[in-house]
Amino acid sequence: DIQMTQSPSSLSASVGDRVTITCRASQGIRNSLAWYQQKPGKVPKLLIYAASTLQSGVPSRFSGTGFGTDFTLTISSLQPEDIATYYCQKYDSGPFTFGPGTKVDIK
Amino acid sequence: QVQLVESGGGVVQPGRSLRLSCAASGFTFSNYGMHWVRQAPGKGLEWVALISYDGSNKNYADSVKGRFTISRDDSKNTLDLQMSSLRAEDTAVYYCVKDIGYKSNWYGGQYWGQGTLVTVSS
Repeated sequence: DIQMTQSPSSLSASVGDRVTITCRASQGIRNSLAWYQQKPGKVPKLLIYAASTLQSGVPSRFSGTGFGTDFTLTISSLQPEDIATYYCQKYDSGPFTFGPGTKVDIK
Repeated sequence: QVQLVESGGGVVQPGRSLRLSCAASGFTFSNYGMHWVRQAPGKGLEWVALISYDGSNKNYADSVKGRFTISRDDSKNTLDLQMSSLRAEDTAVYYCVKDIGYKSNWYGGQYWGQGTLVTVSS
């Protein structure tokens, strides 16, 4: 099965900073990748699918890039409400594995 | 509006069985693939199983293969997860998730229920 990794596992950044999270698949998955945000105590929220398509209602400061094995989620200007754990998920074929998550907080 | 309401969670002894259900509303259930995703206390998300819009395709995480069975009833707009031979490591909140993809397309979990807690303990 294809394994998903994320880096870093956690980060602290200042409000207004540009934040980048990386997700890597152990084999190519084309652009079959989604990103989720999970705030503490809340249900996960879909941010991006097809590697770069922004889900309706998601702020434009979020963006995704990548194809094959390497993907990135970028927050162009970190806001206090972006404090959360971010997960990537592959869906090219089963199993639809999640990455281990990246915890983002404010410095 | 889309609603996904899970039920059936609780405390169960190791080795026993439990059946989770998800009542879906606010969309044409028979047109969408569905997932179960779980999250152990303080841990990350773990995808558990999927079922295609027409029930013809099912897929499971290795950790539950042979023990869990996903099913759907389009006449009742319900998604089920039959769990057997439960282990302590199955303890988690179980979420019912609607895929954003229409019919045979998969793109990710667009709508999530609030989850139901399963605790496996003697």
